[in-house]
Amino acid sequence: DAKTTQPPSMDCAEGRAANLPCNHSTISGNEYVYWYRQIHSQGPQYIIHGLKNNETNEMASLIITEDRKSSTLILPHATLRDTAVYYCIVRVEGAAGNKLTFGGGTRVLVKP
Amino acid sequence: NAGVTQTPKFRILKIGQSMTLQCAQDMNHNYMYWYRQDPGMGLKLIYYSVGAGITDKGEVPNGYNVSRSTTEDFPLRLELAAPSQTSVYFCASSQEAVQETQYFGPGTRLLVL
Repeated sequence: DAKTTQPPSMDCAEGRAANLPCNHSTISGNEYVYWYRQIHSQGPQYIIHGLKNNETNEMASLIITEDRKSSTLILPHATLRDTAVYYCIVRVEGAAGNKLTFGGGTRVLVKP
Repeated sequence: NAGVTQTPKFRILKIGQSMTLQCAQDMNHNYMYWYRQDPGMGLKLIYYSVGAGITDKGEVPNGYNVSRSTTEDFPLRLELAAPSQTSVYFCASSQEAVQETQYFGPGTRLLVL
């Protein structure tokens, strides 16, 4: 699985959009970009994933650059409950075990 | 659906004791996983299973054993607990599909003294 690079931490104002960057310059053509988050003391929670096209769901939007070497997770209206560690993961679908390789993530603090 | 459930939530063990961490899912998922998370670190895969009767090692399997006799349950056994096994343990499951996501349980916090 390709390695990802994320900033270790960032702050965001409540009600504003939070833009979380992720670099995955060695991503392969068949690797998807996944985002999970982990709220303190809880299990990781799936947010969104994509291959090439931008994706949106009820939680967030995922913007993937045309060369697929980086992506941005957008939380459109951050709330205090969005304070968590956000993990960007790239992996191949269908690989044996489909394990997730978690890096350090970005610690997001949403402030009132 | 309860999703993925884990018991106990917290346990203190003495060095050399053994215990079983329970994990169950009610989503009829084929894939199940055990991860551990040390303080301030990401998750590391201990064992995984692709279906009943089939298990395989992950990144850090030493000191642990698993079994998968049913689709629903995937217990993790610690034999001869060591302080290095102090961690938070997460169980997860996923459906075998092209674009699958993993659903995690709430975790078991284990302290070995």
